[in-house]
Amino acid sequence: SQTIHQWPATLVQPVGSPLSLECTVEGTSNPNLYWYRQAAGRGLQLLFYSVGIGQISSEVPQNLSASRPQDRQFILSSKKLLLSDSGFYLCAWSKVSYEQYFGPGTRLTVT
Amino acid sequence: AQSVTQLDSQVPVFEEAPVELRCNYSSSVSVYLFWYVQYPNQGLQLLLKYLSGSTLVKGINGFEAEFNKSQTSFHLRKPSVHISDTAEYFCAVSPISGGYNKLIFGAGTRLAVHP
Repeated sequence: SQTIHQWPATLVQPVGSPLSLECTVEGTSNPNLYWYRQAAGRGLQLLFYSVGIGQISSEVPQNLSASRPQDRQFILSSKKLLLSDSGFYLCAWSKVSYEQYFGPGTRLTVT
Repeated sequence: AQSVTQLDSQVPVFEEAPVELRCNYSSSVSVYLFWYVQYPNQGLQLLLKYLSGSTLVKGINGFEAEFNKSQTSFHLRKPSVHISDTAEYFCAVSPISGGYNKLIFGAGTRLAVHP
């Protein structure tokens, strides 16, 4: 069966510091991968998606970036965090059946 | 473009009572429809989906939803809720097209089940 991992689970970072969140998927090959952000009390905002290694599309302009160095690895990064980057970050994967499967999430607090 | 409206931001209900969480969508193309549940500080879990066929869809944990194409709705129901159903529920649509599986989410409905 397929599983999706995210780490770290929680992170507290000062403004201006760099960020690296990692997501890996097991049990499937060539998945579509997604990064979402969920701000407190709000819905999900799609940040990036990837249909293959090195193929990244951005949905919302911001100071975040994403990379896919391996087929089942998706990384969310920032060179300098802003207060507004605080939130709950979710990684998801999908195949041809349209539904997406979500990881456990990373709670990021920028102080 | 697609949009999803969840008509209630919060729904309080007593244990063992029935509940309906409402979802309406707008789309110029055909869509697939989904309901997800999110427990505190966790990721989203797929409750049920409508891809084709019978408009009444049954999911996990005793939930069901009915697709109404004329009213562009996909309301979620449960005949008798438990305390453990307290969570945030998200309705989502995916336009049927080639390429990646884009999901558009509603803002969510917080279900609070009281004893």
